[in-house]
Amino acid sequence: GAGVSQTPSNKVTEKGKYVELRCDPISGHTALYWYRQSLGQGPEFLIYFQGTGAADDSGLPNDRFFAVRPEGSVSTLKIQRTERGDSAVYLCASSFTGRHTGELFFGEGSRLTVL
Amino acid sequence: KNEVEQSPQNLTAQEGEFITINCSYSVGISALHWLQQHPGGGIVSLFMLSSGKKKHGRLIATINIQEKHSSLHITASHPRDSAVYICAAKRGTDKLIFGTGTRLQVFP
Repeated sequence: GAGVSQTPSNKVTEKGKYVELRCDPISGHTALYWYRQSLGQGPEFLIYFQGTGAADDSGLPNDRFFAVRPEGSVSTLKIQRTERGDSAVYLCASSFTGRHTGELFFGEGSRLTVL
Repeated sequence: KNEVEQSPQNLTAQEGEFITINCSYSVGISALHWLQQHPGGGIVSLFMLSSGKKKHGRLIATINIQEKHSSLHITASHPRDSAVYICAAKRGTDKLIFGTGTRLQVFP
C-alpha cells in the first residue's frame, strides 16, 4: 500500500489475554519503529528495527512485550498476559534510512483496551 | 524533567493569527522532527531539521543547536490547523524522544 498500515485499528481484550498487533510499513523502508501513546501523552519509544534485527529494544517495558520482523518488512508486536496499564494506542512508523532522508511515516495506530 | 519539553501545552488562537510553539531539549541530538497529530491519532511528519530553518507553505521551523531550542511557526492560522503538534528529538540509532505535544485550537 501507499502508507504504513496497522491492524487491528481497535482491539478490546480481557486482562491476562495475549494480543498481537501488526504493522505493514511502506515498501522499501528498512527502519521500523513501535511507539506507545497513552491518553494526553506524547508517544513513547518501544523498539526500533533496522531490517530484520532489533537495533534498539530499550523501550520495551518488560518481558511481556516482544516484537519481531522476520523478513524485514511486516512487524508484529506481541503482548502476553495483558494488563489494564497496557491500554494505549500503539503506533508504528517506518523510514527509508539514508544519509539524506529519515522522514518518518506513521500508521494510524492500533488502539488497545484491556478490560 | 523530560528530555524534550514543549510550550505551551495548550494554545488557542483566532483565525489569521501568527502562532509559535516552542521545543527545548536537554540531550545531544542529530535531528529534530516536528509532527502533527489530528484527533483519531494519525501522525504526519511536518519537518525534520538539524540546523537553520525550513519552510513549507504557512509553516516555518527553526532550530538553534547551541541553545538546544526549536520553534514551529504557523502564519495566517486557519481552523484546519487545529491539532496536536509534537516535537521529537532524534538521538543515536534513530531513537526518537517525544515531547508531550502542544494542543492548538484555531477558532474562526
